Amino acid sequence: QVQLVQSGSELKKPGASVKVSCKASRYTFTDYAINWVRQAPGQGLEWMGWINVNTGNPTYAQGFTGRFVFSLDTSVGTAYLQISSLKAEDTAVYYCARGAVHYSFDIWGQGTMVTVS
Amino acid sequence: QSVLTQPPSVSAAPGQKVTISCSGSSSNIGNNYVSWYQQLPGTAPKLLIYDSNKRPSGIPDRFSGSKSGTSATLGITGLQTGDEADYYCGTWDSSLSDVVFGGGTKLTVL
Repeated sequence: QVQLVQSGSELKKPGASVKVSCKASRYTFTDYAINWVRQAPGQGLEWMGWINVNTGNPTYAQGFTGRFVFSLDTSVGTAYLQISSLKAEDTAVYYCARGAVHYSFDIWGQGTMVTVS
Repeated sequence: QSVLTQPPSVSAAPGQKVTISCSGSSSNIGNNYVSWYQQLPGTAPKLLIYDSNKRPSGIPDRFSGSKSGTSATLGITGLQTGDEADYYCGTWDSSLSDVVFGGGTKLTVL
């Protein structure tokens, strides 16, 4: 079935960087945007932004500029989230989600837990 | 503090109906479509409702969505223990130019 499969959990030290991958399968990768959503432990969902899979142009939500970078490798149908200069408050589950109509998200990755400690 | 306001928790008995509210403003719910997501414990969110009242294929008609003014409502009928989850509303906010979510509502099926 249509799915997004993310890379595994990461444990990083403060100041390090992390790169999370999100691989699409069973749909045409370039037909849909990829969004990124953060969920801190015990907290709600927070939209980080999205990347236009056709142009590679990223858009970052307020609060996610500077240390966060969205990128793509369309040859392998994969989107990436890189976070640099990690802080303890970056500890969260990061989800990729396929953009559908009117800012809804119809397919979600399983989530990647990033722990900064 | 979330831009969209949801009750922290709701509860009802199996077989009953429950509604979950999501309150916003003219910059978000008032002029944009609302989506609803179900997040079962330890899993990724799942799209339940899009365009305020449409269900993706595979979502049972026990789930319904509506919108009036600057508020939206998710309804669930015929409650099952498997419906116990966190539910989130989301929409575009034209002032912030961001997608915004509610803080989430924990549904307990007693």
